[in-house]
Amino acid sequence: DTAVSQTPKYLVTQMGNDKSIKCEQNLGHDTMYWYKQDSKKFLKIMFSYNNKELIINETVPNRFSPKSPDKAHLNLHINSLELGDSAVYFCASSQGDRDGEPQHFGDGTRLSIL
Amino acid sequence: DQQVKQNSPSLSVQEGRISILNCDYTNSMFDYFLWYKKYPAEGPTFLISISSIKDKNEDGRFTVFLNKSAKHLSLHIVPSQPGDSAVYFCAASGQTGANNLFFGTGTRLTVIP
Repeated sequence: DTAVSQTPKYLVTQMGNDKSIKCEQNLGHDTMYWYKQDSKKFLKIMFSYNNKELIINETVPNRFSPKSPDKAHLNLHINSLELGDSAVYFCASSQGDRDGEPQHFGDGTRLSIL
Repeated sequence: DQQVKQNSPSLSVQEGRISILNCDYTNSMFDYFLWYKKYPAEGPTFLISISSIKDKNEDGRFTVFLNKSAKHLSLHIVPSQPGDSAVYFCAASGQTGANNLFFGTGTRLTVIP
């Protein structure tokens, strides 16, 4: 049973397109996150949602919009894709948003922009 | 500005010996430190953590040491096993109060049988 699952695993698309990445967790966690791992393998927080409310946004361009229909899902929609958006995107979840709570990660979505 | 740094991109260790992975941080507001292990094409997996009020935490073969005055932590794996070969990420939280993790760039550990 996959605890945090992301779809698709790979996404290849053209510059300027709009795409979505889906994330679901079956751990009953209250908090979900999106991270971006760039070409230098640096993992950086993008968004965090606690009980469907955005609680942090690390100056991500507004072309990126997280959508949480319920606390088990946090989808990432990206408009007008740019070459620099090529990266691996990881979804994660934790029981709560208290500092130090271990986060459980999905296996990532590798986004390639042509 | 990278607040968590892992200055060794790679480390090779013989099976059975100790592996020591190091991590430095710059922000004194961090109060939790975590280690994650990552295999290729998978997401990071939580290994062990330590609160800033402690200087050591142990879980089986894994021990994390924290030196707050030096803003340095290390992960010791003993004995090292071939299955430990992976990329290890150090992460810190506490700056934002929202469990926002700041990651280092990782150290690739290779355990040689």
